[in-house]
Amino acid sequence: NAGVTQTPKFQVLKTGQSMTLQCAQDMNHNSMYWYRQDPGMGLRLIYYSASEGTTDKGEVPNGYNVSRLNKREFSLRLESAAPSQTSVYFCASSEAWGYPNEQFFGPGTRLTVL
Amino acid sequence: AQKITQTQPGMFVQEKEAVTLDCTYDTSDQSYGLFWYKQPSSGEMIFLIYQGSYDEQNATEGRYSLNFQKARKSANLVISASQLGDSAMYFCAMRESDTGNQFYFGTGTSLTVIP
Repeated sequence: NAGVTQTPKFQVLKTGQSMTLQCAQDMNHNSMYWYRQDPGMGLRLIYYSASEGTTDKGEVPNGYNVSRLNKREFSLRLESAAPSQTSVYFCASSEAWGYPNEQFFGPGTRLTVL
Repeated sequence: AQKITQTQPGMFVQEKEAVTLDCTYDTSDQSYGLFWYKQPSSGEMIFLIYQGSYDEQNATEGRYSLNFQKARKSANLVISASQLGDSAMYFCAMRESDTGNQFYFGTGTSLTVIP
């Protein structure tokens, strides 16, 4: 099992460019998440998908869109990148319920917006 | 209000000593789960330990234990016999039942183990 995979690992964008971060999981989890991590801020939830066909905003959704393509895949799109979106982005997945239903994380994408 | 508060930005511990990392949480739910994750300098997030709100015993996983004090809303991580490889960022997180599957993370504690 690959677990949670993310592409790309690194990306540099210019202000105003768009890009899509891809995430896939092979654990048959119902729930998937996108976080951003900035120094001193911990992990902040951008969007999540509790189950296939649903998406909800998290704490910091502005400037982002998401698509739950199927049960395995959950993509994050930046339509017009801004320097404030420079961050490390993590995708995660978990079972909806059960014990202990922890999140499994991808390796992260380091994004720099110039 | 912050859902998860970690008040120790940085901690130092001598190798082989025990260390406690603090975490307090805020919820009005009766059913919730508390998690600790480790993030080494390589960047990956590693799940360490889980405590359910209805669990009567404190969770333990090897050298990790969770000191769960429900009335005080605290869920401190205790690492016994610290090793150099324990140097990392540690994050406390919570999942509430009424927010579905949303997780809340604290800002983390950076732990440095001194030889």
